Amino acid sequence: QSVLTQPPSASGTPGQRVTISCSGSSSNIGSNYVYWYQQLPGTAPNLLIYKNNQRPSGVPDRFSGSKSGTSASLAISGLRSEDEADYYCAVWDDSLSGLNYVFGTGTKVTVL
Amino acid sequence: EVQLVESGGGLVKPGGSLRLSCAASGFTFSSYSMNWVRQAPGKGLEWVSFISSSSSYIYYADSVKGRFTISRDNGKKSLFLQMSSLRAEDAAVYYCVREYGDYKQGTEGFDYWGQGTLVTVSS
Repeated sequence: QSVLTQPPSASGTPGQRVTISCSGSSSNIGSNYVYWYQQLPGTAPNLLIYKNNQRPSGVPDRFSGSKSGTSASLAISGLRSEDEADYYCAVWDDSLSGLNYVFGTGTKVTVL
Repeated sequence: EVQLVESGGGLVKPGGSLRLSCAASGFTFSSYSMNWVRQAPGKGLEWVSFISSSSSYIYYADSVKGRFTISRDNGKKSLFLQMSSLRAEDAAVYYCVREYGDYKQGTEGFDYWGQGTLVTVSS
C-alpha cells in the first residue's frame, strides 16, 4: 500500500485540461521534491517532471507540476490521444524506517 | 546515447536465488546513483533499492531488506541485484534506473530506464 495516494483514473476529450492529484505526508511530499512519470502501455516509465515543476528536455510544456504542502499535482493541458497512459507521482520519503523512494498508486488517463 | 540493459531474469522456484545485471553505456556511470524499480504484472511501480555513485549509501525497500543486495562495479559500468529467498510476490519486471543528484537538494529524477528483465517465481 503506497503512502502516496492518486485517483485511479482521469479522463478528458482532446484539447481539454486534466489534473492528477498526489496526496502524501510531512515525511515525503511535505519535505522533499516531487517527481512525475508517464508509462505508455507496454513500455518503461518516462520522466515527466522533476523537482516539483521542472521539465526535462523533450517533455512538452503541456505537462506541468506543482506542489503545495503535502500534496502535488500534474496538469496536462491540450490533451492529446498520445497522452493516454499511466501516470505516477514519486518522492523520497525519509521516515523513521529509513530512506525510501515511494511511487504513488498511479492514475490511468483516458482520452475520450 | 544513454543505454541501460538488464539481464539475468528468468524462472526461479520459491526460496531460490537470482542475480540481475545492468550494463550501462553512453554516460559517466561512476557519476550517477542507480536504482532498481520493479513492476508486478498489471500493478504499479515499486522502488526496490538505491546505491550512490561510490557505493557509500545503499537503501532498500522494507519488502526486500535482508533478502536482496545491490552492488555496482564502476570500472565495468555495471549494476547488480542479488536476490535470495525469493517469494511469489517478488515476481515482476525489474528495471535498472539512473539518477543524478542528492535527494535533499532535489535530484534530476529517474531519467533513464532500462527495458526491464522479467523475474518469475513459481514452483
